[in-house]
Amino acid sequence: EIVLTQSPGTLSLSPGERATLSCRASHIVSSNYLAWYRQKPGQAPRLLIYGASSRATGIPDRFSGSGSGTDFTLTIGRLEPEDFAVYYCQQYGSSYPKAFGQGTKVEIK
Amino acid sequence: QLQLQESGPGLAKPSETLSLTCTVSGGSVTSDSSYWTWIRQPPGKGLEWIGHIHYSGTTNYNPSLESRLTISVDTSMNHFSLKLRSVTAADTAVYYCARDDWVSAFDIWGQGTRVTVSS
Repeated sequence: EIVLTQSPGTLSLSPGERATLSCRASHIVSSNYLAWYRQKPGQAPRLLIYGASSRATGIPDRFSGSGSGTDFTLTIGRLEPEDFAVYYCQQYGSSYPKAFGQGTKVEIK
Repeated sequence: QLQLQESGPGLAKPSETLSLTCTVSGGSVTSDSSYWTWIRQPPGKGLEWIGHIHYSGTTNYNPSLESRLTISVDTSMNHFSLKLRSVTAADTAVYYCARDDWVSAFDIWGQGTRVTVSS
């Protein structure tokens, strides 16, 4: 079982600032099958990044993913009001269960 | 455009069976590349992968729930279902269905349905 640890737990930033979120896996994520999701209050999560660095359909280019193996990063270039939310990483390869990290909350400073 | 919609009772009694259905529209549950997935989120907490099914009948379950869980698919109704037996208050959560496209992760989600376990 792969355990994902996200840091920091909370990130306090202002609109327009850059956000850097980290996700560390306890074992290598096969084929870099690492995804990032954004969840706004009261809504279902939305896929942002898959395959560690590929943006999902309709996701603006201020979102970028990087990393491989066990260390992954989500960068939000300039925070928009709708980006203040909770972000989850997830490994979705052939290792079961397809676990999520515990989440990083991006809040307005 | 593929859409998913969860349905089922919002309340279950302790020790009973929780049953939910996810209806697929704008596409077919027999898509070979799709794994139909259940995820849940307890109040104020993070996301937990419950399990998934392929239309061929192949399933994979979270070991923490496997002894109480059945996920099935009905190709004639174009939906898939979850049954969780012997529920307790710890099973109170928002339950989401989603499509796992395997290569491009969980790209389509339902809006979620809230289930409370209480007598």
